[in-house]
Amino acid sequence: AQTVTQSQPEMSVQEAETVTLSCTYDTSESDYYLFWYKQPPSRQMILVIRQEAYKQQNATENRFSVNFQKAAKSFSLKISDSQLGDAAMYFCAYRMRGSGSRLTFGEGTQLTVNP
Amino acid sequence: EPEVTQTPSHQVTQMGQEVILRCVPISNHLYFYWYRQILGQKVEFLVSFYNNEISEKSEIFDDQFSVERPDGSNFTLKIRSTKLEDSAMYFCASRGPGGGPLEALEQYFGPGTRLTVT
Repeated sequence: AQTVTQSQPEMSVQEAETVTLSCTYDTSESDYYLFWYKQPPSRQMILVIRQEAYKQQNATENRFSVNFQKAAKSFSLKISDSQLGDAAMYFCAYRMRGSGSRLTFGEGTQLTVNP
Repeated sequence: EPEVTQTPSHQVTQMGQEVILRCVPISNHLYFYWYRQILGQKVEFLVSFYNNEISEKSEIFDDQFSVERPDGSNFTLKIRSTKLEDSAMYFCASRGPGGGPLEALEQYFGPGTRLTVT
């Protein structure tokens, strides 16, 4: 079974600084998708960024980028120029290739942004 | 922008009662999901639904749970006899057509229903 691990329960960063959130996963599949979701206090799940495993290039979305290391099964999220609105719980998630496949989530990392 | 909606936002019920959580997925989506999140814990998959039948379910989704798409727009989760441990946030999600380069389309989450069982 696939598992996702986030070893940092809490992280903090100063406004305008850069922070990296870690995620590792375990799978025997070679083709899959990885995601980072943001959950603010409202508890709405918001997709931040996604990565297809067959793509070697790391995904970027504005201030958000990933470092995808397929051999190491590592998928970290870098947030540049952190803003107060980035404060939230961040979940790493894995999905097998296949149309109906479930998302498997990590335990989450609570990010605090200090002014 | 289209969005997934869920009602009610908060449901309080007594142990042993039946509850129905409702979701309206995005209109052209074909795959539907329920997840739950116990307070302070990670989000867990419950069930996926496609072509009017369950395509996958987790070990959490036992005989107390059922899902239905009663019409072309709603997607419901029923808990037959609620237990205290069913207290959680329940998220509905939907996803568009798959296949080919579009398969990576994301699952769009609703805002959740907070279920409190007393």
